[in-house]
Amino acid sequence: AQKVTQAQTEISVVEKEDVTLDCVYETRDTTYYLFWYKQPPSGELVFLIRRNSFDEQNEISGRYSWNFQKSTSSFNFTITASQVVDSAVYFCALSEGDSNYQLIWGAGTKLIIKP
Amino acid sequence: GAGVSQTPSNKVTEKGKYVELRCDPISGHTALYWYRQSLGQGPEFLIYFQGTGAADDSGLPNDRFFAVRPEGSVSTLKIQRTERGDSAVYLCASSRRGGSEAFFGQGTRLTVV
Repeated sequence: AQKVTQAQTEISVVEKEDVTLDCVYETRDTTYYLFWYKQPPSGELVFLIRRNSFDEQNEISGRYSWNFQKSTSSFNFTITASQVVDSAVYFCALSEGDSNYQLIWGAGTKLIIKP
Repeated sequence: GAGVSQTPSNKVTEKGKYVELRCDPISGHTALYWYRQSLGQGPEFLIYFQGTGAADDSGLPNDRFFAVRPEGSVSTLKIQRTERGDSAVYLCASSRRGGSEAFFGQGTRLTVV
């Protein structure tokens, strides 16, 4: 069975604070992909990152960073120095195998950044 | 256009009616996906096209749902005998090939009354 859990339904922080969004996944496959997407109020899902199961290196892109730990089946997402424009719903997703076209999504975490 | 375009953006229909939702993918993208998203939930996979053919339609909930992509570009999701439970945002995405980064449209909000 595949499952993606985002335990945090909603997070609210004040601008400039750092915030981490948690993602825990379950899969029996050794080959899989993990994704993060952002969904702003406009509704369009915006791709942030894709990571395959064989690459556990952490990644940093500007204020965004991702911590992939196979030992705990987690793929957490951190925003440093948060900004109001970061307010959105963030989804973590999983796909198995090489094709990685069928994504299994978490329920999302709504992030509210207050000015 | 530069992005994935979905029309209409909103559709209200009566229970039992037939609806068609359209998706114009990014030019040159061979892979196209349909997802459904209910309020407060993540998207739910419906169907994946590679070119003109449905490579995986395992996510379609029942035989009232059908999708086509006759020329390998525009796709239409068709729902017959709509039910109130079909109310959701229907999202379309495309990618250069199956499995590469997918770009999503803004969705069609379907409301069945």
